[in-house]
Amino acid sequence: AQSVTQPDIHITVSEGASLELRCNYSYGATPYLFWYVQSPGQGLQLLLKYFSGDTLVQGIKGFEAEFKRSQSSFNLRKPSVHWSDAAEYFCAVGALGHTGTASKLTFGTGTRLQVTL
Amino acid sequence: GAGVSQSPSNKVTEKGKDVELRCDPISGHTALYWYRQSLGQGLEFLIYFQGNSAPDKSGLPSDRFSAERTGGSVSTLTIQRTQQEDSAVYLCASSLGIPGQTSYEQYFGPGTRLTVT
Repeated sequence: AQSVTQPDIHITVSEGASLELRCNYSYGATPYLFWYVQSPGQGLQLLLKYFSGDTLVQGIKGFEAEFKRSQSSFNLRKPSVHWSDAAEYFCAVGALGHTGTASKLTFGTGTRLQVTL
Repeated sequence: GAGVSQSPSNKVTEKGKDVELRCDPISGHTALYWYRQSLGQGLEFLIYFQGNSAPDKSGLPSDRFSAERTGGSVSTLTIQRTQQEDSAVYLCASSLGIPGQTSYEQYFGPGTRLTVT
């Protein structure tokens, strides 16, 4: 069974500082990996995804993530954080269903990002 | 275009009552997913529909929980004899549901916050 670990429950960074959120996964096959962001009272918004190919993927809002198979990691980064980035961030791994389509996503426990001015 | 919509946005019910939660997926999306988000359990998968059938119901926590989907579109999650531990945010997502990488991109609705008193 697949699993995702986000070791940091809460991170605080200053506006303008760089950010790295950690994600480690466990999955028996080629993983399909995602980062979602959730603002208070909102649903989940897809930031970026990794399926195959280039291990550095670009997403929305200036975020990027790097897939490292040897470390089973998919860390999220942003060079300069804005106050509006304060939210909860979830890493997820996708499973393959029996029809060849996606089945479920397994999420990490999330990292809450606080941005100080 | 319209995203995933869910209703009601908030539901307060008394313990022992039945509730129905509705999800309207993105037009053309054949796959539909229900997740539950609670403080103690994080984001948990409940059930997945491909068309009107549910190949994976493994996440439903008890036989009090059921879901159906008709016409390959709207889905209803029903919780019978609600308990306080059912209090959570219930999230619905949809995806294209065709074999291939794009099927893994799940788009989430805003959720229904269920409070059982």
